[in-house]
Amino acid sequence: AQSVTQPDIHITVSEGASLELRCNYSYGATPYLFWYVQSPGQGLQLLLKYFSGDTLVQGIKGFEAEFKRSQSSFNLRKPSVHWSDAAEYFCAVGANGNKLVFGAGTILRVKS
Amino acid sequence: GAGVSQSPSNKVTEKGKDVELRCDPISGHTALYWYRQSLGQGLEFLIYFQGNSAPDKSGLPSDRFSAERTGGSVSTLTIQRTQQEDSAVYLCATGRYQETQYFGPGTRLLVL
Repeated sequence: AQSVTQPDIHITVSEGASLELRCNYSYGATPYLFWYVQSPGQGLQLLLKYFSGDTLVQGIKGFEAEFKRSQSSFNLRKPSVHWSDAAEYFCAVGANGNKLVFGAGTILRVKS
Repeated sequence: GAGVSQSPSNKVTEKGKDVELRCDPISGHTALYWYRQSLGQGLEFLIYFQGNSAPDKSGLPSDRFSAERTGGSVSTLTIQRTQQEDSAVYLCATGRYQETQYFGPGTRLLVL
């Protein structure tokens, strides 16, 4: 069965510092991979996605992620975090029919 | 409209009552998904509609839950005889076949 692991429940970074959120997946075929962000009381907003091709994908708000098949990972990165990036981040893998299996989420706090 | 819309945004009901949650998809999106987000279980897939195909109901937690999609557009998720454990945020997402899913803002259901 498909699964997604986000090992960090909470992460705190200082504004202007770099960020990496970890995501590991388990899936038997070539995965569709996604990162979504959720602000309090809001729905999920797509940050970026990987379907095929270049393993380094660029997203909105200055985020990027790298697909590493050998490590079954799809980590999210941002070189300089802004206070407005504080939110919860979800990694997801597209399973049969592309229904999504989500990780438990990582809550990002940004210190000023 | 420009995005996925859901109504109501909030719903408070009494245990044992039935509730209906509505999702209006992005125009042209043939795929429609329902997910549930709760503190204990995270984000879970409930049901998936694709065009005129039979829906994938594999995520529905009990026979109290049902959903329909009329005319390939609007979808309604119905929960009969609500229980307190049904309290959650119900998210609808739509997309084109096997492509990115775009989420609505969700319906926050509280069962007293």
